[in-house]
Amino acid sequence: DAGITQSPRHKVTETGTPVTLRCHQTENHRYMYWYRQDPGHGLRLIHYSYGVKDTDKGEVSDGYSVSRSKTEDFLLTLESATSSQTSVYFCAISESGSPEDGYTFGSGTRLTVV
Amino acid sequence: SQQGEEDPQALSIQEGENATMNCSYKTSINNLQWYRQNSGRGLVHLILIRSNEREKHSGRLRVTLDTSKKSSSLLITASRAADTASYFCATAPAGGGADGLTFGKGTHLIIQP
Repeated sequence: DAGITQSPRHKVTETGTPVTLRCHQTENHRYMYWYRQDPGHGLRLIHYSYGVKDTDKGEVSDGYSVSRSKTEDFLLTLESATSSQTSVYFCAISESGSPEDGYTFGSGTRLTVV
Repeated sequence: SQQGEEDPQALSIQEGENATMNCSYKTSINNLQWYRQNSGRGLVHLILIRSNEREKHSGRLRVTLDTSKKSSSLLITASRAADTASYFCATAPAGGGADGLTFGKGTHLIIQP
């Protein structure tokens, strides 16, 4: 199994501040994803990556940016945090090399914007 | 927007009973997957069924897929307290794409001891 870790696990930040969440994998899997999970909405895709420096927007990308300068790290940045970005953020990878196969998820980052 | 919609939103049954959850989706798919999420944890992949398959089993799990009705069901037999979790369906669209899977909103399953 791929090791996938998210950091931090919990964060409280103030409105208007930038925040960066990190997703780290221990193997060279190509596809990585950032989702947010909110009550009543399930999981929604924010951004995804299909290789180093290859990223694209998902369904709810406004207010977020990502970077992938190394295969193992996929960073999600909230450029100026708002209360609507209070959520649980999950990173996922596709271990098979196909974006259509099963994903392995990290344990999540619970972000509170006050 | 969500591709899959699970039904019911919540389900409470007695330990030992069978639990059935349903998922409906809107567009053509390559496969449909089910995931489990325990409280405070990430999602765990349970089973994948391809569009040309009608039924698949894994341990106490049975998944069916009806592409003509754009629906799937997940059956958990002989439920246990440890099965208490939220269950999500996810679809991989026909034609593929790097943006991968679209998840539903989930069914929250409670197994009463």
